[in-house]
Amino acid sequence: QQPVQSPQAVILREGEDAVINCSSSKALYSVHWYRQKHGEAPVFLMILLKGGEQKGHDKISASFNEKKQQSSLYLTASQLSYSGTYFCGTESASGGSNYKLTFGKGTLLTVNP
Amino acid sequence: SQTIHQWPATLVQPVGSPLSLECTVEGTSNPNLYWYRQAAGRGLQLLFYSVGIGQISSEVPQNLSASRPQDRQFILSSKKLLLSDSGFYLCAWSKQIGQPQHFGDGTRLSIL
Repeated sequence: QQPVQSPQAVILREGEDAVINCSSSKALYSVHWYRQKHGEAPVFLMILLKGGEQKGHDKISASFNEKKQQSSLYLTASQLSYSGTYFCGTESASGGSNYKLTFGKGTLLTVNP
Repeated sequence: SQTIHQWPATLVQPVGSPLSLECTVEGTSNPNLYWYRQAAGRGLQLLFYSVGIGQISSEVPQNLSASRPQDRQFILSSKKLLLSDSGFYLCAWSKQIGQPQHFGDGTRLSIL
């Protein structure tokens, strides 16, 4: 089942913060975050494994609440280069091997000067 | 380091013509391989994935097929293209579950 991302779109001014959420109805093994700029391939940002961890990557960080099957991506002091569509991808924790990611519909982030 | 190559970058094909898109990965062995399609302004739809040579799992019934003739080669094919096959096709690889997926540059396919 496809994870649900919110919001669908957000517009920021440079320097502002944003939070993008991703929730699933299934038990998750991991949550991946990717950014895709217009006309380009998605680029991996970070992965969070079950265990309820938080990760940081410069001014972009993420958390994973295993109990709620939710992940949030935090973008602080946004830069123009942060503009793009952000996708979360989830790996199920169901029994047996599960090699695929199910992606959300994406969140379009626009950072204006 | 690992790299993924996907070609061609753009392709314009008439309805009813065949299709072959190729993807190769370098610098790793026994990768998991994936084909995605993305319609304009939409999300990523998983079409096929493969965990080994000759092992193909199909996610969406359609007139497309995939093959993995070698460990690091993944091919997407169609015998007769439909207008609805237009889109941005992305190949990706990962090492195992819980590891990142890395995407190729994609093929933009237009059907006329």
